[in-house]
Amino acid sequence: GENVEQHPSTLSVQEGDSAVIKCTYSDSASNYFPWYKQELGKRPQLIIDIRSNVGEKKDQRIAVTLNKTAKHFSLHITETQPEDSAVYFCAAPQRSNNAGNMLTFGGGTRLMVKP
Amino acid sequence: GAGVSQSPRYKVAKRGQDVALRCDPISGHVSLFWYQQALGQGPEFLTYFQNEAQLDKSGLPSDRFFAERPEGSVSTLKIQRTQQEDSAVYLCASSGLSGGALGKLFFGSGTQLSVL
Repeated sequence: GENVEQHPSTLSVQEGDSAVIKCTYSDSASNYFPWYKQELGKRPQLIIDIRSNVGEKKDQRIAVTLNKTAKHFSLHITETQPEDSAVYFCAAPQRSNNAGNMLTFGGGTRLMVKP
Repeated sequence: GAGVSQSPRYKVAKRGQDVALRCDPISGHVSLFWYQQALGQGPEFLTYFQNEAQLDKSGLPSDRFFAERPEGSVSTLKIQRTQQEDSAVYLCASSGLSGGALGKLFFGSGTQLSVL
């Protein structure tokens, strides 16, 4: 099955700086990579995802990059704001022969944005 | 409803007690997942339904855990003879099987289970 490693486990940045979170995966056939944001006591919410046919995807201040050769993908948040403070999880398909519905999650990164 | 609904939001159980956790997915979503999230950890897969069929239950930690979705909509996760190690947040998620929803999981707010 898929193994997803995420780092760093905690990240503290100053408001306005950029934050980068990285994940590696083990199954070279994986084709779908979402990122979820979970605020304290709340549900995980999808913030951005990327499929393996593209190398980068942007949505306003967030972007995800994918390196299929190295089997890693990264979340980039620019111009961070205090409301970006949360735990972020990357994920990859649990088995390569599905359509990406079953996910294996990384261990999470706690991002703290200091005003 | 607009999103995935779970109940109860909090459950305190005495060790050995049976509990039942309910999930009401987004209307029309055929895929339903249960995840377990320990404090400070990422969600861990428990089981997966497509409509009423339980296609994967490889993540259920023991035979004390049982899940069902008899009519292909609402699902119940049952834990028998709860143990302290069962304490966690149990998350339900649903997903569509076509179009833009493919692959995207929509989570409920979870049930926080505390076993004393």
